Amino acid sequence: AQKITQTQPGMFVQEKEAVTLDCTYDTSDQSYGLFWYKQPSSGEMIFLIYQGSYDEQNATEGRYSLNFQKARKSANLVISASQLGDSAMYFCATDGGATNKLIFGTGTLLAVQP
Amino acid sequence: GAGVSQTPSNKVTEKGKYVELRCDPISGHTALYWYRQSLGQGPEFLIYFQGTGAADDSGLPNDRFFAVRPEGSVSTLKIQRTERGDSAVYLCASSPATGGAFFGQGTRLTVV
Repeated sequence: AQKITQTQPGMFVQEKEAVTLDCTYDTSDQSYGLFWYKQPSSGEMIFLIYQGSYDEQNATEGRYSLNFQKARKSANLVISASQLGDSAMYFCATDGGATNKLIFGTGTLLAVQP
Repeated sequence: GAGVSQTPSNKVTEKGKYVELRCDPISGHTALYWYRQSLGQGPEFLIYFQGTGAADDSGLPNDRFFAVRPEGSVSTLKIQRTERGDSAVYLCASSPATGGAFFGQGTRLTVV
């Protein structure tokens, strides 16, 4: 079975600084994907970034990058140049088996301070 | 529509009543998922449809929960004899063949 662990219930960061949100995963699958979603207070789940287990390069999407360390089973999200609008819950997830259902962690609440 | 649409956005019901939650996926997406998110938690998988059939319903908590997708597009999650513990946000997501999940805004269900 797959499992995602996010050990930071909450994080603070100053505007314009970078922040790293931690995520470790456990899976018995040889091929898997890792995802990060943002959930603002409005509730929608916004897809941010994806990393495939066989991708050799770390994924990047604008200010988001995924620090993928396969041997350590970690998939940390790095947000550069934080903005006030980045304040939200962030969820790490992996896809499980043939159905590609997502297994989520408990999330990290990020607060960006001016 | 442009995105996944869920209705209603909010539903308050009395304990013991029956409710239906609707999901209209992105056009052309063959895969559809239902998740449940309790306060302070990440979403938890309930059921997955590929086309019209439920390919994986292993996340449904008990037989009071049921979902259908009769024409391979719109899906309805049905909850019988609701209990206060069913209160949560119910999220629907659809996926294209290439992968990735696109979520709707969710239905906040409150059982009083």
